[in-house]
Amino acid sequence: QLQLQESGPGLVKPSETLSLTCTVSGGSISSSSYYWGWIRQPPGKGLEWIGSIYYSGNTYYNPSLKSRVTISVDTSKNQFSLKLSSLTAADTAVYYCARPTGSRGKGWFDPWGQGTLVTVSS
Amino acid sequence: QSVLTQPPSASGTPGQRVTISCSGSSSNIGSNTVNWYQQLPGTAPKLLIYRNNQRPSGVPGRFSGSKSATSASLAISGLQSEDEADYYCAAWDDSLNGVVFGGGTKLTVL
Repeated sequence: QLQLQESGPGLVKPSETLSLTCTVSGGSISSSSYYWGWIRQPPGKGLEWIGSIYYSGNTYYNPSLKSRVTISVDTSKNQFSLKLSSLTAADTAVYYCARPTGSRGKGWFDPWGQGTLVTVSS
Repeated sequence: QSVLTQPPSASGTPGQRVTISCSGSSSNIGSNTVNWYQQLPGTAPKLLIYRNNQRPSGVPGRFSGSKSATSASLAISGLQSEDEADYYCAAWDDSLNGVVFGGGTKLTVL
């Protein structure tokens, strides 16, 4: 059974860069047909897609975050990562990793990681 | 302001049937399939409906989805107390070249 687990710091300072990692278990991140994605949810608010990546490196990013986001994949560790720069308090959220399914990763997200809360504060 | 529009709240009594709407445009719902997620309090979202009306293994038949033109709906029949959760619709948007979510609907079982 495929499982995803986020990891990274829970507290980051404003203007700094957030780095999160999602470790995939129960399957290979290099498996064809699958993309890997990040979604976030500010406290008490809705879901926002951040971006998705194919194991070969092809990426899709949310246009509203594109200038600050980098998603990468490390097939040797079966992990993919998120970097979000120039942080502000508005980036405080629970960050989820998930697997988008469907043609070129444009479909549904399943499964999801449990999420990790990142607070941006000095 | 979310690209997909959902009512912020919905409610029903046990056993009742409730529907949650999701309105979009030609670039998202109008040209791509709709997916629905259930988020129980304090947990990660879970896939509920994919490709407009398909249920993943383990999702009760009480949950059903439909799509027409640029709108979609999630229906829950035989409402149960454990259905109290937030529900989100989502679809790919060809203009934005990305995934868009609805703002979410909080379902209360009275």
